[in-house]
Amino acid sequence: QVQLQESGPGLVKPSQTLSLTCTVSGGSISSGDYYWSWIRQPPGKGLEWIGYIYYSGSTYYNPSLKSRVTISVDTSKNQFSLKLSSVTAADTAVYYCARGIAAAGPFDYWGQGTLVTVSS
Amino acid sequence: EIVMTQSPATLSVSPGERATLSCRASQSVSSNLAWYQQKPGQAPRLLIYGASTRATGIPARFSGSGSGTEFTLTISSLQSEDFAVYYCQQYNNWPPVTFGGGTKVEIK
Repeated sequence: QVQLQESGPGLVKPSQTLSLTCTVSGGSISSGDYYWSWIRQPPGKGLEWIGYIYYSGSTYYNPSLKSRVTISVDTSKNQFSLKLSSVTAADTAVYYCARGIAAAGPFDYWGQGTLVTVSS
Repeated sequence: EIVMTQSPATLSVSPGERATLSCRASQSVSSNLAWYQQKPGQAPRLLIYGASTRATGIPARFSGSGSGTEFTLTISSLQSEDFAVYYCQQYNNWPPVTFGGGTKVEIK
């Protein structure tokens, strides 16, 4: 059974960089069979796709966030990571990592999500 | 960017009744559409992909239909565990991947 688990600080100051890691168990990122995405959900709102990474390191980002987002992969640790720079209160959200059957989804396995609050 | 519009925003249904949820795309997404269920405090769960294919372990009371710009998720007989928020998502024209705003199915 594939499992994804997000980890990282729950509180980030405005203008700083948000950093999260997703650890995958029960399956290997290196298999190349899937794509690995970050998706976020502001409190009480809908879902926003941030971007994905493939095991090779190729990425695609949401154009609305592209200038601030970096997604990277560490296949030796079976992890992928998200960095979002210059955060504001609008970046406060539950951040999910998810496995995509194809590059743009659908997403068949999700992490439980982690709330990141941007506040001084 | 393709805009996904879900209706209604809230659907009040009695247990055992049928629920019909709609999702409209601002341009054709072919059959590259998925439906997800989200309960409070939980991650979304994939229900349907390819507009009409149930994901592994999803009960047969959930069915999806449509293609192009108009899609429907039907829950044939609502069970207590089905009261949740449902999202559609297109994966045809990207980036970005886009989701609808959600339909909340509540107990009548």
